[in-house]
Amino acid sequence: RKEVEQDPGPFNVPEGATVAFNCTYSNSASQSFFWYRQDCRKEPKLLMSVYSSGNEDGRFTAQLNRASQYISLLIRDSKLSDSATYLCVVQSVAGNNRKLIWGLGTSLAVNP
Amino acid sequence: GAVVSQHPSRVICKSGTSVKIECRSLDFQATTMFWYRQFPKQSLMLMATSNEGSKATYEQGVEKDKFLINHASLTLSTLTVTSAHPEDSSFYICSARLGTGGTLGTYEQYFGPGTRLTVT
Repeated sequence: RKEVEQDPGPFNVPEGATVAFNCTYSNSASQSFFWYRQDCRKEPKLLMSVYSSGNEDGRFTAQLNRASQYISLLIRDSKLSDSATYLCVVQSVAGNNRKLIWGLGTSLAVNP
Repeated sequence: GAVVSQHPSRVICKSGTSVKIECRSLDFQATTMFWYRQFPKQSLMLMATSNEGSKATYEQGVEKDKFLINHASLTLSTLTVTSAHPEDSSFYICSARLGTGGTLGTYEQYFGPGTRLTVT
């Protein structure tokens, strides 16, 4: 089982639609969680951190369910510019070693 | 703030040659930098963690003699792909950690724009 799993998609949605992505992680000791966005042939960019209480940033809402070990990202009123790959990222901790474990990404295409 | 640059952005080299990629944190000091590799339609894979002034820590399966990492200053880390082969063709991305994170604290990584390596 992969440490971080995402549905690769692609998700094709019309402008204005609401779309949700889920991500599951296997290590229950994981401490921090993030959603990154990666455009084609570009580096990933941090979209938002995911807090236990859930957090919202404009049209984007992230939630964490530690009991079920999954993270979600909700995009409301999607725009053409939201088309990208969304990467679920989990910080693993082993002793003093912390590193990020990356999901494969979920591809989103927002259509006019 | 928190800008990371990489150079070159794209390089094409012949099989058997070596290629050096530079990663710089432009407006902050990065005690830790990370080197990733991403193949098409694959997730980012951590290759090594580079700490300033000490030897890099390589992930399992990454050959340290092939991928030489030097982190000589708080703003510069280099990755040298030695004796490159076509299978080394990939997108190499560095990132720098902002903040110490504490024992269990969170931290964020800021990424360079990546270097696309093509070995012919």
